[in-house]
Amino acid sequence: DAGVIQSPRHEVTEMGQEVTLRCKPISGHDYLFWYRQTMMRGLELLIYFNNNVPIDDSGMPEDRFSAKMPNASFSTLKIQPSEPRDSAVYFCASSLAGWETQYFGPGTRLLVL
Amino acid sequence: GQSLEQPSEVTAVEGAIVQINCTYQTSGFYGLSWYQQHDGGAPTFLSYNALDGLEETGRFSSFLSRSDSYGYLLLQELQMKDSASYFCAVNRDDKIIFGKGTRLHILP
Repeated sequence: DAGVIQSPRHEVTEMGQEVTLRCKPISGHDYLFWYRQTMMRGLELLIYFNNNVPIDDSGMPEDRFSAKMPNASFSTLKIQPSEPRDSAVYFCASSLAGWETQYFGPGTRLLVL
Repeated sequence: GQSLEQPSEVTAVEGAIVQINCTYQTSGFYGLSWYQQHDGGAPTFLSYNALDGLEETGRFSSFLSRSDSYGYLLLQELQMKDSASYFCAVNRDDKIIFGKGTRLHILP
């Protein structure tokens, strides 16, 4: 298996622009997680899905953030409009059965100018 | 409230043994996970403890004491490639919370 795939790997955009991050989980994994990592706040869970259904989005910082999982092999995290404080590394992870063993993608490094 | 505490940095010598501690305060505790992250890389799963005791996986072992709200990661026969950040994470029934990470420096 190719592992969790994320795109783009790097994104530089200007404040106010829409940003869409993409994730393909490992085939057969029922759980998908979106995380954000910054030096100040560390690794934070934003939202997670079970069988394509959003279970908990309490970690999503603001209404500017939204996530979807239209099918078992694809998820998006959208920021609209983006702000400089959204600059971070965004990781997608998937797992077979919940929290225990999560496989992380390579991450998307987002810089909002 | 909920919190995890782990040392920010630890230094050890190649070939030695190092222990990274993690204490937590949280309700609805399910288990304690450990992840390794190299600079510029993604977190990689190392171990998971749901019950008290020691779990061993090769050179790495992880320990949990639920009564003490405490766990540790033990790395043996340290190699230079073990230089990385190590995160403990507490799994609750509806959340996962990561510690700030421990930066492990290994001296030759």
